Amino acid sequence: SQQGEEDPQALSIQEGENATMNCSYKTSINNLQWYRQNSGRGLVHLILIRSNEREKHSGRLRVTLDTSKKSSSLLITASRAADTASYFCATALARQLTFGSGTQLTVLP
Amino acid sequence: KAGVTQTPRYLIKTRGQQVTLSCSPISGHRSVSWYQQTPGQGLQFLFEYFSETQRNKGNFPGRFSGRQFSNSRSEMNVSTLELGDSALYLCASSQIIGDTQYFGPGTRLTVL
Repeated sequence: SQQGEEDPQALSIQEGENATMNCSYKTSINNLQWYRQNSGRGLVHLILIRSNEREKHSGRLRVTLDTSKKSSSLLITASRAADTASYFCATALARQLTFGSGTQLTVLP
Repeated sequence: KAGVTQTPRYLIKTRGQQVTLSCSPISGHRSVSWYQQTPGQGLQFLFEYFSETQRNKGNFPGRFSGRQFSNSRSEMNVSTLELGDSALYLCASSQIIGDTQYFGPGTRLTVL
């Protein structure tokens, strides 16, 4: 079973717009991570936020974590066509990463 | 540093056969995890090895097994293949499980 559920399942935006993806989970966590996957390839780690952190930035990425609501969001600003990919959140607890179902982001040129 | 490598990249087998997939982690990483990705079930955790010992296991039947060698390289074996085993098998390495994981390109297994 999957711990995290991403919302929306699919998102289509124009280049230059911002994209926001949400992740909800069910149990306590040590940290939450976001990954990107391009078209059936391996996953690329984007950002890790620990359970005692509320917000983290990396380049055009901004991640927030609300442990009281068991939710996280990933914001990609000024999106580019190259950002087109599937985005997964993964929760870490007890030596195991559990992935959500993913959001398919399409950025139109 | 070289990234995580997986061999082979593509594999076609028939039902009932067995298959072995290989993963070489990033140098210095002692944790290797395996995942199965299918359109229907998404990304599912198979197992994790650290220092040649299986430390964690997902909810998969005993036909799925693995091992890790002293150089941290890992192999995954699936016996008595079923059509439903067709999937992308991903290997990931990290210094500590639960921390940032670095994924290989995956092995695409097709069972006919």
